[in-house]
Amino acid sequence: QVQLKETGPDLVQLTQTLSITCTVSGFSLTTYNVHWVRQPPGKGLEWMGAMWNGGGTDYNSAFKSRLSISRDTSKSQVFLKMNSLQTDDTAKYFCARQRVYYGLPDYFDYWGQGVMVTVSS
Amino acid sequence: DIQMTQSPASLSASLGETVTIECRASEDIYNGLAWYQQKPGKSPQLLIYNANSLHTGVPSRFSGSGSGTQYSLKINSLQSEDVASYFCQQYYDYPFTFGSGTKLEIK
Repeated sequence: QVQLKETGPDLVQLTQTLSITCTVSGFSLTTYNVHWVRQPPGKGLEWMGAMWNGGGTDYNSAFKSRLSISRDTSKSQVFLKMNSLQTDDTAKYFCARQRVYYGLPDYFDYWGQGVMVTVSS
Repeated sequence: DIQMTQSPASLSASLGETVTIECRASEDIYNGLAWYQQKPGKSPQLLIYNANSLHTGVPSRFSGSGSGTQYSLKINSLQSEDVASYFCQQYYDYPFTFGSGTKLEIK
């Protein structure tokens, strides 16, 4: 059974660093890509970046300078770290699975339940 | 970046009705389009991929169509459990982008 579960803080102070872990089960991180997507309250979805099955990463240029994605395949975990948090980073953060399809972009077939993070001053 | 314009922003329909949600891309996305359903407080669930392919386990009253820059999601015989927000997503090119969402309610 495919599952993704995000864990992280509810509250982060302004200008501090956010760290979220996505723990997956039912599939291998070396076979599927995992992406991060966020959703501010009452708003739409925003793609943040990806951890490729081969270990490489890609980032939305909107975040590139302050976002880092890494993984520990032995623990089936993907990590998101974002620094210099501002109030408009308040959002629900999701990880999502993407199949590896001939190196082409593809849809997300499973999502985690998300973790709501509030940036407080 | 490819912009996705979704309409309407909200929709109210009666049980048993048919509703349609539209998404327009700012350039040709060659059917690289998915539709997701998101219920309050929950994660998005894949409904449709490749513009018109039904994801496993999704009821057949959901269907997708379109090509080029224009795509639509149709829900036949609206059920109470279809109350949710619906998002389109283009995955033709990075960065992936999403429509702003349609909130569907029952009249």
